[in-house]
Formats: sequence, structure tokens, C-alpha cells
Amino acid sequence: KAGVTQTPRYLIKTRGQQVTLSCSPISGHRSVSWYQQTPGQGLQFLFEYFSETQRNKGNFPGRFSGRQFSNSRSEMNVSTLELGDSALYLCASGWTGGIGELFFGEGSRLTVL
Amino acid sequence: GIQVEQSPPDLILQEGANSTLRCNFSDSVNNLQWFHQNPWGQLINLFYIPSGTKQNGRLSATTVATERYSLLYISSSQTTDSGVYFCAVVEKNGANSKLTFGKGITLSVRP
Repeated sequence: KAGVTQTPRYLIKTRGQQVTLSCSPISGHRSVSWYQQTPGQGLQFLFEYFSETQRNKGNFPGRFSGRQFSNSRSEMNVSTLELGDSALYLCASGWTGGIGELFFGEGSRLTVL
Repeated sequence: GIQVEQSPPDLILQEGANSTLRCNFSDSVNNLQWFHQNPWGQLINLFYIPSGTKQNGRLSATTVATERYSLLYISSSQTTDSGVYFCAVVEKNGANSKLTFGKGITLSVRP
């Protein structure tokens, strides 16, 4: 059974650009959530999607957005990149969301220059 | 929101030693998971343990939900156990899909 797949694994962008990250959950999982990890702030919740609907959103500016498709694959987008957006972005997959066990992908490491 | 505190922040062990990692949380939880973050950044599931005790090889975990803490035990540690261990919870009365993480415990096992 395939795990959670995130692409791309590594990317470098410059300030002001935008980026789109993709996450394919474990087959059958309908919940996808996104987390940002930085050395200063640790692991922080961005948002969660379930059956194409955003159910919950963390405390991030509107430059961070996401969506989920009918096959449960999810994308997150960050517009007008800032240096502080450099981070490891992790995607988690689950059957029902936070109440059940969540499984994480390998992450997408974004560097903003 | 719920607070998650892990202790100790750093732990250095000699190979073969045992250790206990602690996670305290400030409110009732629906979900508690322990993860090991590998050097490439992936969070590896160790235990899903909102309550009770589980064992998996040299690792075991206990969560006492009524007293709001969880313990991760590592026995006969190996150098491959090195890395960062995270505890994460979902608050029972909050948004039911958000994991709140502790700051992690950095474990170094020396040969």
C-alpha cells in the first residue's frame, strides 16, 4: 500500500514568486492536512481538507491557500513568497481527520532566496 | 488552545541504555501520536495512543489521559534511534482535525 506522496521534494524560489505543492494521500483516505515546520516555530498546522472542503484553518496569512480534488489529492499554494516561508511543508493523510491516526509524507523543502 | 510540553528537550544516551520521554498536555484529547522524525524530515509513526499502553519491539508507550500525560519508553537504545521525537495531540473540544505538536525531544545515542 503506497504511503503519502509529496512533490516536489525540494525547490528553490525567489522572493515574490509563488509555489504550488502537491500531496497524494494514502488510498481511501479522505482527509489531507498541511503543516509547516521551521526551526523557530516548530510544526504548525496550516489547514485541513476533507472531501474537497476546507474544514479547519490555522493562523497563517491569506497568501497560504489550498484545495482538494475529487480523488482526495491536495495542493497548497503560497503566493508572494517571503524569506520566512522557507520551511519543510508536511502533508498528513487520514481516514477521518484528527480523531484517527494520521500518516505523513516525506515533505517538500522550500527555500526562498 | 491546547499546550503540549515535552521533556527533556535533549537526551544523550550510550548505546544499550533505556530512556523515558515525556509528553504533558493541558486539556482533554481525542488523539495522541508519537512520531520519530528521520534525518530527511519525514515523520515516522511510532504510536497512536490516546489512552492505554502499547508496545512495538523495543518501544512502548503509555498515555494516562485523566492525568494528561504520555510516556514513550525506549529500551536497549541503538544509534539508529537518534533523532527528534514528537508528541502530537488533537484537542477534544477544539477543531477536530488539527494536530498540535510539542517542540520535540532530540535524542542522541552514542556507540
